[in-house]
Amino acid sequence: SQQGEEDPQALSIQEGENATMNCSYKTSINNLQWYRQNSGRGLVHLILIRSNEREKHSGRLRVTLDTSKKSSSLLITASRAADTASYFCATGKETSGSRLTFGEGTQLTVNP
Amino acid sequence: DTAVSQTPKYLVTQMGNDKSIKCEQNLGHDTMYWYKQDSKKFLKIMFSYNNKELIINETVPNRFSPKSPDKAHLNLHINSLELGDSAVYFCASSRIGGGTTEAFFGQGTRLTVV
Repeated sequence: SQQGEEDPQALSIQEGENATMNCSYKTSINNLQWYRQNSGRGLVHLILIRSNEREKHSGRLRVTLDTSKKSSSLLITASRAADTASYFCATGKETSGSRLTFGEGTQLTVNP
Repeated sequence: DTAVSQTPKYLVTQMGNDKSIKCEQNLGHDTMYWYKQDSKKFLKIMFSYNNKELIINETVPNRFSPKSPDKAHLNLHINSLELGDSAVYFCASSRIGGGTTEAFFGQGTRLTVV
């Protein structure tokens, strides 16, 4: 299985609702990042949380990190149709030789 | 100005052909990457360069050869294309390596081998 596994694989909600996506990983990390990918586009960085942080906010995004459980969650509050995209978590580790290891992604659909 | 640009955006070619994808970043970053995204959207790193030096070379076929003429450019050349090479290839860059900072991605090159 992969370093960085998202759950659920797909999520469909109504506009205005909150969306929560989870990510689990297997090895120790320096940081965990979340990216968004709109259909047919490249990935866009959303937020980075370091291994010594537990929670981070950016606008309508809230990310938590539990290193003891090797898991993270991304919460999008008051979702909008424009939030429809795939969301990926990625783990970074200095000894991993300059790489980000991505999970399999969660496809979020926000219905107007 | 586009931070990470790659060309072409679409590439349709026949099996056995050789093709190249070009990537340029204007962010002044030291590290550049090539990722492959398969039909299930799984992203896997292929190569990483730091200041023109190869840092990561994952188990990809020898038919794939990256070239970094300077730290702002990282091109990908593919020889003898196969059907299984069909995927979306993303170039990315980051200020420093080790996955310690955010990565900036290009728009992707959708390669279709027929």
